[in-house]
Amino acid sequence: EAGVAQSPRYKIIEKRQSVAFWCNPISGHATLYWYQQILGQGPKLLIQFQNNGVVDDSQLPKDRFSAERLKGVDSTLKIQPAKLEDSAVYLCASSLRAKEIGEAFFGQGTRLTVV
Amino acid sequence: DAKTTQPPSMDCAEGRAANLPCNHSTISGNEYVYWYRQIHSQGPQYIIHGLKNNETNEMASLIITEDRKSSTLILPHATLRDTAVYYCIVRPRGGGADGLTFGKGTHLIIQP
Repeated sequence: EAGVAQSPRYKIIEKRQSVAFWCNPISGHATLYWYQQILGQGPKLLIQFQNNGVVDDSQLPKDRFSAERLKGVDSTLKIQPAKLEDSAVYLCASSLRAKEIGEAFFGQGTRLTVV
Repeated sequence: DAKTTQPPSMDCAEGRAANLPCNHSTISGNEYVYWYRQIHSQGPQYIIHGLKNNETNEMASLIITEDRKSSTLILPHATLRDTAVYYCIVRPRGGGADGLTFGKGTHLIIQP
């Protein structure tokens, strides 16, 4: 079974530029998550989708971050404009169903450096 | 969700059992205990979860105390590849609408 695919693997941008990350979840997984992991900390949930609808985006900085999941499959996370404190690893994860007990599968992440 | 407390780091000799403790004294009756680990430069990986009975799978064993206020993850024969950050997470039964809430975890270092 193919895992969660993310691209790019690394990205370096200047502050105030924009950037986008892409995620392809495991086939058939209805729930998709985006996490932000700052160095030395555990991952923090940014947004959760159930199919193509948003379930939880309470921790997403909506003034600069946006995410979409068209057709309930792939997802993109965008930052515009980026700040220095956005430097982090952005992890995408998917699971079969939010209401079921089960594991979430994580991609390898995109390491963003804002200079 | 209930909070968890884990030691920041632990060492274990290769080939020995690694026992990772987690305190979750405010856990409620409908909350499961999950364990994930994160190897350097990779995304977190699910290990095991349980409600109140001890659980075992091919990766590890999970021992939950009778009062459910603490648990221990056991890696029976640790190898160098088990060096990682281990996260103990409490999550409502049924998953709920929340994603996983990660703390800082325990950095387990397996010594050769």
